[in-house]
Amino acid sequence: LAKTTQPISMDSYEGQEVNITCSHNNIATNDYITWYQQFPSQGPRFIIQGYKTKVTNEVASLFIPADRKSSTLSLPRVSLSDTAVYYCLVGDDSNYQLIWGAGTKLIIKP
Amino acid sequence: GAGVSQSPSNKVTEKGKDVELRCDPISGHTALYWYRQSLGQGLEFLIYFQGNSAPDKSGLPSDRFSAERTGGSVSTLTIQRTQQEDSAVYLCASSQPTAGVDTQYFGPGTRLTVL
Repeated sequence: LAKTTQPISMDSYEGQEVNITCSHNNIATNDYITWYQQFPSQGPRFIIQGYKTKVTNEVASLFIPADRKSSTLSLPRVSLSDTAVYYCLVGDDSNYQLIWGAGTKLIIKP
Repeated sequence: GAGVSQSPSNKVTEKGKDVELRCDPISGHTALYWYRQSLGQGLEFLIYFQGNSAPDKSGLPSDRFSAERTGGSVSTLTIQRTQQEDSAVYLCASSQPTAGVDTQYFGPGTRLTVL
């Protein structure tokens, strides 16, 4: 199972673009990269998943370089409600036991 | 249902008592997961069900922990002889196998406090 490394915390301001980078040096060929968001007193919520290059949905973009040893979650024009913990996970469809690190605590200021 | 539900939302118990935590997954989801989350920490995997069977119980922290799933739906996590270190939020998630890594849908969790 690939272990991931993320910053413990980040601060930003409303309206800014926020980029959270996750390193996963031992990612395997079949592994996908998945990001979840967790608000206080709630379970995590899926944000985005990708395998390579760039993936974009209505809430975020995920950038994955060619070597796939890292990935960057990009949140455009953040608001106060984006304050949450963001988790990066790596695994394939046989990995039901994904490793959840402590995540990145993102604080958005007015 | 519309989402994963868990009950109770909060449980306070005395050390040594047994507790049962319930998870109702999204209808039709074949996979079900239990996690434990201590304050400020990431999720700790406990057990995974595919249908009614649990191919991997290695995440259960001790033999005081057990889980079952009946009818491929509702699951119960039981903690016997609770200890103070069992205090945490217990999260349940369900998923339906898809391409890539399954998207897990989480319930709100049960906050367990052992006095």
